[in-house]
Amino acid sequence: EDKVVQSPLSLVVHEGDTVTLNCSYEVTNFRSLLWYKQEKKAPTFLFMLTSSGIEKKSGRLSSILDKKELFSILNITATQTGDSAVYLCAVEAPGETYKYIFGTGTRLKVLA
Amino acid sequence: SAVISQKPSRDICQRGTSLTIQCQVDSQVTMMFWYRQQPGQSLTLIATANQGSEATYESGFVIDKFPISRPNLTFSTLTVSNMSPEDSSIYLCSVAAGSYNEQFFGPGTRLTVL
Repeated sequence: EDKVVQSPLSLVVHEGDTVTLNCSYEVTNFRSLLWYKQEKKAPTFLFMLTSSGIEKKSGRLSSILDKKELFSILNITATQTGDSAVYLCAVEAPGETYKYIFGTGTRLKVLA
Repeated sequence: SAVISQKPSRDICQRGTSLTIQCQVDSQVTMMFWYRQQPGQSLTLIATANQGSEATYESGFVIDKFPISRPNLTFSTLTVSNMSPEDSSIYLCSVAAGSYNEQFFGPGTRLTVL
């Protein structure tokens, strides 16, 4: 069965800390992996990863994919309270274009 | 990217009634998706809505309970029928757009069923 597993489920850090969020997957015919940030209702898109070893970076956030070991990490450096959110990982479902399987998310809380 | 609006943003409904949620996109898209996110859970795909054809439902979701309309390339509705408290959830529509056809989400509809 195709699945996406994220860890840890939740995390509490202090401002300035660096965090690493994990996403592992088991999906046939992998095509892409996406990271989203969800603060209230609508998830907002962060990164799409399709190739191993190529880091995507946006400000303090970065992400990388390992297609051999079937996982991705999302790094956030110098965390701020505004980074507090649920971070979702999604993998494109096999056989269907643009349809994604979502992980359960990692709830990050950054304390001032 | 795509800008997506949903109505209503939230509602409180009585058991046994139905609610129709509207999703409007600012550009024409082929595929629209409806997700459910129950409290403390991740997103679960309900169905894929294509214009001009029947929606494709995921395992565990049926048309009688969640009828979907897709009259054109910018609009879709999801109806939650004969609601029970277990239907209390956030319902999100999304589209595949952007440079990589990544999914963009609407603001969601928070439904509470009493």
